[in-house]
Amino acid sequence: AQKVTQAQTEISVVEKEDVTLDCVYETRDTTYYLFWYKQPPSGELVFLIRRNSFDEQNEISGRYSWNFQKSTSSFNFTITASQVVDSAVYFCALNDYKLSFGAGTTVTVRA
Amino acid sequence: EAGVVQSPRYKIIEKKQPVAFWCNPISGHNTLYWYRQNLGQGPELLIRYENEEAVDDSQLPKDRFSAERLKGVDSTLKIQPAELGDSAVYLCASSLSPGEDYEQYFGPGTRLTVT
Repeated sequence: AQKVTQAQTEISVVEKEDVTLDCVYETRDTTYYLFWYKQPPSGELVFLIRRNSFDEQNEISGRYSWNFQKSTSSFNFTITASQVVDSAVYFCALNDYKLSFGAGTTVTVRA
Repeated sequence: EAGVVQSPRYKIIEKKQPVAFWCNPISGHNTLYWYRQNLGQGPELLIRYENEEAVDDSQLPKDRFSAERLKGVDSTLKIQPAELGDSAVYLCASSLSPGEDYEQYFGPGTRLTVT
């Protein structure tokens, strides 16, 4: 069975600080995809990033970066130089034809 | 390009009443999903369609929930009769392909309150 765990329930930072969100997953599949989604107060889930299980190269996209470590089943996500507009709930998800979501981490960025 | 459209955005009903939600996916997206999101939790899949065929409805409470996607485009999710525990946000999503590497695009959801 698949499981995604986001241990952090809430994170509060001051603008311009970096925010790192933790995600740990369980799966028996050897090939899978991991995602991060953002859910702002408006409620619509927005796709942020995707990583496949056979590519552990970490990447940076603008202010977003991610650290995928297959050995520890972790897929952490970092927002650099946070802004107030980054305030939202962030979900980590594992996909094998259906998305299994974690419980989400609420990020509050204060001006 | 228009995103996933859902209606209504909000619905308040009394328990034992029926309710229906409508979803129109992104044009060209053959795969459609219905999720339920309880307060403080991540979405959970209810049903997945590939064109007009329901290929995964294992999490759909079939005693009271039903769904259809007759022409393989828009879809309706129905609850009859509604229970207090059905209060949640119902999200519709679509993707170009059912493949696990394709991102899903979500609609704004329908917030259901059962009193």
